[in-house]
Parts: sequence; structure tokens; C-alpha cells
Amino acid sequence: QLQLQESGPGLVKPSETLSLTCTVSGGSISSSSYYWGWIRQPPGKGLEWIGSIYYSGSTYYNPSLKSRVTISVDTSKNQFSLKLSSVTAADTAVYYCARLDIVATNDAFDIWGQGTMVTVSS
Amino acid sequence: QSVLTQPPSASGTPGQRVTISCSGSSSNIGSNTVNWYQQLPGTAPKLLIYSNNQRPSGVPDRFSGSKSGTSASLAISGLQSEDEADYYCAAWDDSLNGSWVFGGGTKLTVL
Repeated sequence: QLQLQESGPGLVKPSETLSLTCTVSGGSISSSSYYWGWIRQPPGKGLEWIGSIYYSGSTYYNPSLKSRVTISVDTSKNQFSLKLSSVTAADTAVYYCARLDIVATNDAFDIWGQGTMVTVSS
Repeated sequence: QSVLTQPPSASGTPGQRVTISCSGSSSNIGSNTVNWYQQLPGTAPKLLIYSNNQRPSGVPDRFSGSKSGTSASLAISGLQSEDEADYYCAAWDDSLNGSWVFGGGTKLTVL
């Protein structure tokens, strides 16, 4: 059974770079049927898609965050990562990694990690 | 302000049927399929409906989805207390080089 697990610092200082990693277990990140994505949720608010990546390294990002976001993949470790630069308090959120199934569910985030809370504060 | 518009709240009594609406535009719902997610308190979202009206394995048939034009709806029949959760619609948006967009979420209360 495929599982995703986010990891990274829970506290980041303003203007610094937020870095998170998602480890995929129980399956290969290199499958042609899936993209892999990051979605965040500020406290008490809704979901916001950050960006997605294919195992080949092809990426696409939310236009509103594109200038600050980098998503990368390490197929040898079955991981993909998020970097968000120049963070402010507005970036405080629970960050989820998720699998985007482009075949069986015709493009839907069908498996999610448990989420990790990241607070931006000095 | 979310790109997709949902009512902030909905409610019903056990056994009732409730619907949650999701309104978008020609660049998202009007030209792409809609997915629905259920988020129970303190947990990660779970895929509930994909491709407008398809249920993943394990999702009860009490949950159903539909789409018409630039709007979509999620219906829950035979409401149960465990259905109390936040529900989000989502769709791909073709504008600005493409982006996944979500509704603001609807909090469903089972009275």
C-alpha cells in the first residue's frame, strides 16, 4: 500500500527558505501513471496547490507562487522535495504531499501524506 | 478568494440528503473534470469523487457527484454523523499556463 510521508523543519524564519521532503513508500515514484504534488492549507483556511512534478523532472507550478517555488525529484531515494524561498507569515500552513493519478482517476490527487505544519516566525 | 466558489457551510439531520455546490468558470469547471475531497477534522484530505461522478474504491454510494456547465455538485444521501467534515471541490484551470484550483471548502454539520 503506497504511503507518503512529509519531513522537514517545523519552524522557519521570515525571509528564509522552507524546505520539505516527501518520501514515497510501498511503490515507485518512477511510474509513468503519476505526477507528485505539494498542496498547503493555512490554519483554518482552504487548500492551495503549490506545484507538481513528474519522475522525469518535468514541473509545473502555481502561477502565484512560481517565482519562489522549486520542486525536485530524487528517484534513487523515491523522494521529491519542495523549496519555497523568501517566506513570510503568510506561508504558515500545513503542507501536504500527494500523488496525482493521471490514468486511473483521470487526474486526481488520490493519495495524500498526513501533512506537516510549518510555522514562519522569528 | 478561491477560484471555485462553495457555500461555507451546510447542514442536515441523519438520514437526510444534502447537496454542496461548486461554481467556477469556462476555464476550469467548464472545460475540465471536477474532483471532490473530504477532510475529516485533523486529518488529510481524502479523494471522494473524481471525473465529476466517479467514486474511488471504498467510497460508499451514498456519495455522488454531477456537473453541468460551469458548476458541479456533491450529493450525500442517508446522511450519517461520520460525514461531518469539510468538503472541497477542485479542477484544473486552463488560464495562466494552467493550475489546479480548489473551492474554499464547505463545512458540513450533521445536526
